[in-house]
Amino acid sequence: KAGVTQTPRYLIKTRGQQVTLSCSPISGHRSVSWYQQTPGQGLQFLFEYFSETQRNKGNFPGRFSGRQFSNSRSEMNVSTLELGDSALYLCASSLAGQGTEAFFGQGTRLTVV
Amino acid sequence: AQKVTQAQTEISVVEKEDVTLDCVYETRDTTYYLFWYKQPPSGELVFLIRRNSFDEQNEISGRYSWNFQKSTSSFNFTITASQVVDSAVYFCALSEALYTGNQFYFGTGTSLTVIP
Repeated sequence: KAGVTQTPRYLIKTRGQQVTLSCSPISGHRSVSWYQQTPGQGLQFLFEYFSETQRNKGNFPGRFSGRQFSNSRSEMNVSTLELGDSALYLCASSLAGQGTEAFFGQGTRLTVV
Repeated sequence: AQKVTQAQTEISVVEKEDVTLDCVYETRDTTYYLFWYKQPPSGELVFLIRRNSFDEQNEISGRYSWNFQKSTSSFNFTITASQVVDSAVYFCALSEALYTGNQFYFGTGTSLTVIP
């Protein structure tokens, strides 16, 4: 069974640009969550999508957005990039319900210069 | 307030030693779930264990064991006879039934180095 696939693995962007990250969950998993990991703030929840609807959202500015497609694949978008957005962005897929284990991809390492 | 606290930032042990990673959580929910994840240098978080708040039985899986104590709000992780391959960052996480969805609150992680 294929795991969670995130593309691209590495990205370098310039301040002010926008970026789109992609996540393909495990087959059959309908929930996709996104997390930002930085040395200073650790792992922080961005948002979760389930059946194409945002089910939960963390405390991030509106520049961070996401969506989920009918095949459960998800994208997250960051507009007007800031230096502080440099981080490892991790996608997690889970079957559906609360408290189910989440399986993570290898992440996208975003560097904003 | 931090919902999950991992007070140990870094731990170094010599191979074959036992090591315990501490995790203390905070929630007002009566139904919640606790997890441990391992993050090797490659970056992905590897699922290790899930516990719900109604199951306080300790669990053993090979060299790994977990001690869940609701009275002290702790969910500690012990590695017996540590090996170099155990070197990684370990995260404890909490998911509350209070919220719809599957949002995890992670601790700040404990970086474990096993010295050969």
